[in-house]
Amino acid sequence: DAKTTQPTSMDCAEGRAANLPCNHSTISGNEYVYWYRQIHSQGPQYIIHGLKNNETNEMASLIITEDRKSSTLILPHATLRDTAVYYCIVRVQYSDSGYALNFGKGTSLLVTP
Amino acid sequence: DGGITQSPKYLFRKEGQNVTLSCEQNLNHDAMYWYRQDPGQGLRLIYYSQIVNDFQKGDIAEGYSVSREKKESFPLTVTSAQKNPTAFYLCASSGGQWEETQYFGPGTRLLVL
Repeated sequence: DAKTTQPTSMDCAEGRAANLPCNHSTISGNEYVYWYRQIHSQGPQYIIHGLKNNETNEMASLIITEDRKSSTLILPHATLRDTAVYYCIVRVQYSDSGYALNFGKGTSLLVTP
Repeated sequence: DGGITQSPKYLFRKEGQNVTLSCEQNLNHDAMYWYRQDPGQGLRLIYYSQIVNDFQKGDIAEGYSVSREKKESFPLTVTSAQKNPTAFYLCASSGGQWEETQYFGPGTRLLVL
């Protein structure tokens, strides 16, 4: 099963772009990369996912390297409400049709005024 | 509004007692999941269900039981066999297909008296 490696913590000034890296060197060809975030004592919130092309939505952009071994989540203009733990995830497959999300410890992002 | 609801928000368990955590979704999702989160840790899969009347064990199923009698509901029972039940419990659902995103409820915090 593909695993991910993220920095334990990062800081970002309010209004600046937050770039959160993730390594997933063992990812398989058909596995998607997902990003979630979790604010303290709440359920994880879906942000974005991608396979091999870069993706953008109203929350963030996802840049995946050509070899798919790493990716970067970009929050273009970080606000104080973006302070959270960010998880980079590759699915774990439990059976032919059963799968779940393999959450590691994530990156704790602190956005400062 | 469509979404996932979990109740109660806080639950207290006495020694030797079974308790049941509720999870309901009105997203018409086929798949539902239960995760456990300990302080400072990522999420670990307890059970998942891809369709009604079928469910599979995840990584840490010992001491837990589930049922899936209705598509909308996936209750989790924490039995007395679970010796360290204090944790944050999260329910999620998805359409069930390979790419489909999982969406999470707000969580239930279980404390042992």
